[in-house]
Amino acid sequence: DAGITQSPRHKVTETGTPVTLRCHQTENHRYMYWYRQDPGHGLRLIHYSYGVKDTDKGEVSDGYSVSRSKTEDFLLTLESATSSQTSVYFCAGRGTNTGELFFGEGSRLTVL
Amino acid sequence: DQQVKQNSPSLSVQEGRISILNCDYTNSMFDYFLWYKKYPAEGPTFLISISSIKDKNEDGRFTVFLNKSAKHLSLHIVPSQPGDSAVYFCAALNRNQGAQKLVFGQGTRLTINP
Repeated sequence: DAGITQSPRHKVTETGTPVTLRCHQTENHRYMYWYRQDPGHGLRLIHYSYGVKDTDKGEVSDGYSVSRSKTEDFLLTLESATSSQTSVYFCAGRGTNTGELFFGEGSRLTVL
Repeated sequence: DQQVKQNSPSLSVQEGRISILNCDYTNSMFDYFLWYKKYPAEGPTFLISISSIKDKNEDGRFTVFLNKSAKHLSLHIVPSQPGDSAVYFCAALNRNQGAQKLVFGQGTRLTINP
């Protein structure tokens, strides 16, 4: 869905450095989500937001923080990246139909 | 604890035949189930869903079946086409949770052979 864009699309960084992934939406979604995709695990929820400045943890939140200062932007921060955080990260917004999420194209992060 | 499981990492089917993808879940609080399709370098896209009050939902070539007593659902694609080659994720949620946090399975890579 073109309404959700993620940046950067690809990033290589070193262990211990901070990383911020940005999700920008133009669909006025109230609920926003960050997932990570890993082989053998599918998509796992990291954090989600249910409104501006309202966020909560998902199932794999350790080592991650999020912020949502305005409806359009949902940021995912890795304070000190580790190799276990090498993954593909997807941002999603919730549509009006039950359970239907609209995903961005993903951000591939490699931590060396 | 994997609440949603797709035990087949991959599936290969002949074009024109039926593809059957399976999914099992353990949480009895799940009352809504969805299938997502994902192409390489793209985000997942919604395909079809089913409520726990139904046992079947059909949309064109795609049909989802739900067996609540077995905590099992399946996605049937017939006839299969080359463009159906993708990774398919099963997902479940408890609609009583306001945040509607989807729980996904591991995914099944479907390959349709000409």
